[in-house]
Amino acid sequence: DAGVIQSPRHEVTEMGQEVTLRCKPISGHNSLFWYRQTMMRGLELLIYFNNNVPIDDSGMPEDRFSAKMPNASFSTLKIQPSEPRDSAVYFCASTATGEWTEAFFGQGTRLTVV
Amino acid sequence: QQQVKQSPQSLIVQKGGISIINCAYENTAFDYFPWYQQFPGKGPALLIAIRPDVSEKKEGRFTISFNKSAKQFSLHIMDSQPGDSATYFCAAGNGDTDKLIFGTGTRLQVFP
Repeated sequence: DAGVIQSPRHEVTEMGQEVTLRCKPISGHNSLFWYRQTMMRGLELLIYFNNNVPIDDSGMPEDRFSAKMPNASFSTLKIQPSEPRDSAVYFCASTATGEWTEAFFGQGTRLTVV
Repeated sequence: QQQVKQSPQSLIVQKGGISIINCAYENTAFDYFPWYQQFPGKGPALLIAIRPDVSEKKEGRFTISFNKSAKQFSLHIMDSQPGDSATYFCAAGNGDTDKLIFGTGTRLQVFP
């Protein structure tokens, strides 16, 4: 398996534009997570899905952020409109449900909003 | 959301020395405590993990010490090597969900 795949790796956009980040989890994994990494706050959990259903979105900063998982092999995180304070590295991770198992992270998307 | 506090923010150690990173948690429902290692430009990867039914777990040069009553756990890296230079995250999770809450990270630099 190629692991968790995120795209794009880098995104530079202007303030006010819509940004869509994409994630393909590892095949067979039931849970998918979106994290945001900044120097000040470390790794923040934004939202997680289990069997394609959003379970906890309490970490989503505000209504400008939305996430979907239309099927077991694809998820998106959308920011609309984007703001400079959204600049961060966004990670997607997936795990197999059940016994505590390793969370596998993608390589991340570095988002810069200018 | 911050329920896991991690220190120090950065750490500089000489090759061969011991690196120690500490974490404290608040939620007593947590029952899984992993440590993740992240190299520049990469996503975090699982390094070692512990459950609260043991006080220590060792894998090679890496040891987790766990103090349930104090709600604290720490990572010890013995004989630190330049290749250990990375950012380390502690995390805590609850077996009822798959959710992991991460600390803010420690940037470790090991100089030869």
